[in-house]
Amino acid sequence: GIQVEQSPPDLILQEGANSTLRCNFSDSVNNLQWFHQNPWGQLINLFYIPSGTKQNGRLSATTVATERYSLLYISSSQTTDSGVYFCAVVYSGAGSYQLTFGKGTKLSVIP
Amino acid sequence: DTGVSQDPRHKITKRGQNVTFRCDPISEHNRLYWYRQTLGQGPEFLTYFQNEAQLEKSRLLSDRFSAERPKGSFSTLEIQRTEQGDSAMYLCAAVDYNEQFFGPGTRLTVL
Repeated sequence: GIQVEQSPPDLILQEGANSTLRCNFSDSVNNLQWFHQNPWGQLINLFYIPSGTKQNGRLSATTVATERYSLLYISSSQTTDSGVYFCAVVYSGAGSYQLTFGKGTKLSVIP
Repeated sequence: DTGVSQDPRHKITKRGQNVTFRCDPISEHNRLYWYRQTLGQGPEFLTYFQNEAQLEKSRLLSDRFSAERPKGSFSTLEIQRTEQGDSAMYLCAAVDYNEQFFGPGTRLTVL
């Protein structure tokens, strides 16, 4: 099956700093989503981005499907940005269109 | 509205007991997924429904697991003869325009 690798696994930022999270995947995909998992376990949708670039406030994402990677940018980080960020893809060969997740990047933003 | 509710939010049970979880998408969605997430990992696909038909099951879904979606709306996931290894967060997702939206999850602890 498809492999999804996220880096870095852990990231500690000072409040106000910028960061870039990376997601590499091993095969062609139909869909790519970024999620933020809060401390209570809820997965919050950030971006649906199978290709191209999107922006939402301080967050933006870019997916280059032909080169099999996606990037999530967080600018002017806030303590509320802390949590685990997951990249998830739908492998083009997956008949049921299920998501395959990476292991996540754990972000800690300190005041 | 792509809201998804899950019940219960937490379940503590003794090894060998049966448990049942429920997933309710707020509005009608043809596609519904179940995932399982263990500590430090991303969610993993368990099973998929298209309306009331269960179309795919992961090899993670042993014979002790059964899922239903009787009227193509809510879904249930039952685990029989629970084992300590079943302790995890069980997540349900509904699909809107190819984007998956997750419920808050049911956290299962097997003692």
